[in-house]
Amino acid sequence: GAGVSQSPSNKVTEKGKDVELRCDPISGHTALYWYRQSLGQGLEFLIYFQGNSAPDKSGLPSDRFSAERTGGSVSTLTIQRTQQEDSAVYLCASSLDAGKPYGYTFGSGTRLTVV
Amino acid sequence: DQQVKQNSPSLSVQEGRISILNCDYTNSMFDYFLWYKKYPAEGPTFLISISSIKDKNEDGRFTVFLNKSAKHLSLHIVPSQPGDSAVYFCAASGKMGNTGKLIFGQGTTLQVKP
Repeated sequence: GAGVSQSPSNKVTEKGKDVELRCDPISGHTALYWYRQSLGQGLEFLIYFQGNSAPDKSGLPSDRFSAERTGGSVSTLTIQRTQQEDSAVYLCASSLDAGKPYGYTFGSGTRLTVV
Repeated sequence: DQQVKQNSPSLSVQEGRISILNCDYTNSMFDYFLWYKKYPAEGPTFLISISSIKDKNEDGRFTVFLNKSAKHLSLHIVPSQPGDSAVYFCAASGKMGNTGKLIFGQGTTLQVKP
């Protein structure tokens, strides 16, 4: 597609439920990043995928968070047993070349609210 | 540990005047710095960047200044326009695996009044 697409745009879930957030990167972009923005906070790095390399999971806040990227394209971020502190806007970005950070294109994000 | 800091959460300026947004960083390994702009309900968009080998980069109304000794950078917008009203994020990248991973500041909300 023309841009990075994320779905759903909004998600309200009950505490303790699992959620899946989806990201469709720009076609041909080999690098994919997940960030989140909590209220009043900056963009927090979560996880990074580059081609067939092992993902950089160093930013995942707990083992309730996981992500996968199938076929080098679509990525799903899964949060298990959601907690209220997981409420945030989850942003996905893709890049043609992982060595060039200015090549990031962000999606519009998924606003997750845990009640 | 906040490696990139934007200490001013908000800034208000009059249309036509200069807007100056500031950013400080702590990690001397950072060698590339960027500014992103974010409107509500949209993802951040790239605005301007600077490599650590430079101290200034200009693009139209936007200029970024880098002071490596002070670990400080700033974004100048001249003249400011109402359409510039947005959240501005400073970000940094460095020789940490060359993954392109960016470390972002907390953001500064700029309001330009007509």
